[in-house]
Amino acid sequence: GENVEQHPSTLSVQEGDSAVIKCTYSDSASNYFPWYKQELGKRPQLIIDIRSNVGEKKDQRIAVTLNKTAKHFSLHITETQPEDSAVYFCAASSGANFGNEKLTFGTGTRLTIIP
Amino acid sequence: DAGITQSPRHKVTETGTPVTLRCHQTENHRYMYWYRQDPGHGLRLIHYSYGVKDTDKGEVSDGYSVSRSKTEDFLLTLESATSSQTSVYFCAISESQREGRYEQYFGPGTRLTVT
Repeated sequence: GENVEQHPSTLSVQEGDSAVIKCTYSDSASNYFPWYKQELGKRPQLIIDIRSNVGEKKDQRIAVTLNKTAKHFSLHITETQPEDSAVYFCAASSGANFGNEKLTFGTGTRLTIIP
Repeated sequence: DAGITQSPRHKVTETGTPVTLRCHQTENHRYMYWYRQDPGHGLRLIHYSYGVKDTDKGEVSDGYSVSRSKTEDFLLTLESATSSQTSVYFCAISESQREGRYEQYFGPGTRLTVT
């Protein structure tokens, strides 16, 4: 089955700096890579995703890049703000857009923004 | 919140007792999932459903069973709870987006403690 590794497990950055979280996956059939943000005591919230037919996707201050050859993908957060502090999870799936996205998650990165 | 509710939100039970968690959705989604979240493990898929009476196992299904007799309800049962099943349980649905693509959204979670 799929295996997703996520690094680092903790990350502290100064407010206004950039943060990068990296994930690798094992199953070359995986074609969908979402990122979730989870605040303390809350549900995971989808913040951005990318599919294997694109290499990069941006949404305001967040971006995700995908390298299918190397089987890794990354989350980039620019101009970090205190509200970016949370645990971030990457995931991978080979659901092939048919709706049944059985996600395999990484173990999470606790991001702390230092004011 | 994609119309997902979970009940109960918190439960404490004793080892060996049966426990049923309920996930309810109001938007007629076909695909539903149960995950458990534990420190250091991220989220792991327990079981999923692709329609009424259609279910299948995920990566950590031992000790769990599910049922889906109506589109809106997906039940997770621990036949005989063990301390290793102390966890936060999240239900999720796949929601269709543009171009036939799907995104997965989570319910608010149930914190289960087995003593």
